[in-house]
Amino acid sequence: AQSVTQPDIHITVSEGASLELRCNYSYGATPYLFWYVQSPGQGLQLLLKYFSGDTLVQGIKGFEAEFKRSQSSFNLRKPSVHWSDAAEYFCAVGTTGTASKLTFGTGTRLQVTL
Amino acid sequence: NAGVTQTPKFQVLKTGQSMTLQCAQDMNHEYMSWYRQDPGMGLRLIHYSVGAGITDQGEVPNGYNVSRSTTEDFPLRLLSAAPSQTSVYFCASRKTGTGSYEQYFGPGTRLTVT
Repeated sequence: AQSVTQPDIHITVSEGASLELRCNYSYGATPYLFWYVQSPGQGLQLLLKYFSGDTLVQGIKGFEAEFKRSQSSFNLRKPSVHWSDAAEYFCAVGTTGTASKLTFGTGTRLQVTL
Repeated sequence: NAGVTQTPKFQVLKTGQSMTLQCAQDMNHEYMSWYRQDPGMGLRLIHYSVGAGITDQGEVPNGYNVSRSTTEDFPLRLLSAAPSQTSVYFCASRKTGTGSYEQYFGPGTRLTVT
């Protein structure tokens, strides 16, 4: 069965600083990988996804993520964080096939200080 | 398109009561799913469906029933609510087929069982 680990429960960064959120996955085949963001009291919004091809994936709101098969990682990055980026971030791995299921990590809560 | 809609937004139940959480999508997506979100645990899959008349269990199905009579609707039933079912519930949908693994989430239903 697939699994996702987000080792950082809570991260605080200053506005304008760079950000990297870590995600490690376990899956026997080529994974489908996702990053979602959830603002307080809201649903989940897709930031970016990796299915195949270029291992550096660009997403919305200036986020990017890099798939590293050798490290089983899919870390999310942003060069300069804005106060509005404060939210909870979830990494997820999807299985292949019609009945593909998403398995989520436990999330990383990002706090941005001014 | 309204996307994925969920009703109600908030609900308080007493132990032993039953209720149905409603989920509808207008994107003609074959695949629909229900997740519950609990602090520190990410999102966990309850049930999913790959089309009308077809449902299957996810990671945490106990205490929940589903049915799928139409492509648009995927209600989640709690037969006898328990305090352990206090959670935020998200419905999601996606198309099936190659490269169609991005799931779209509803805004969630916050359920409290006393």
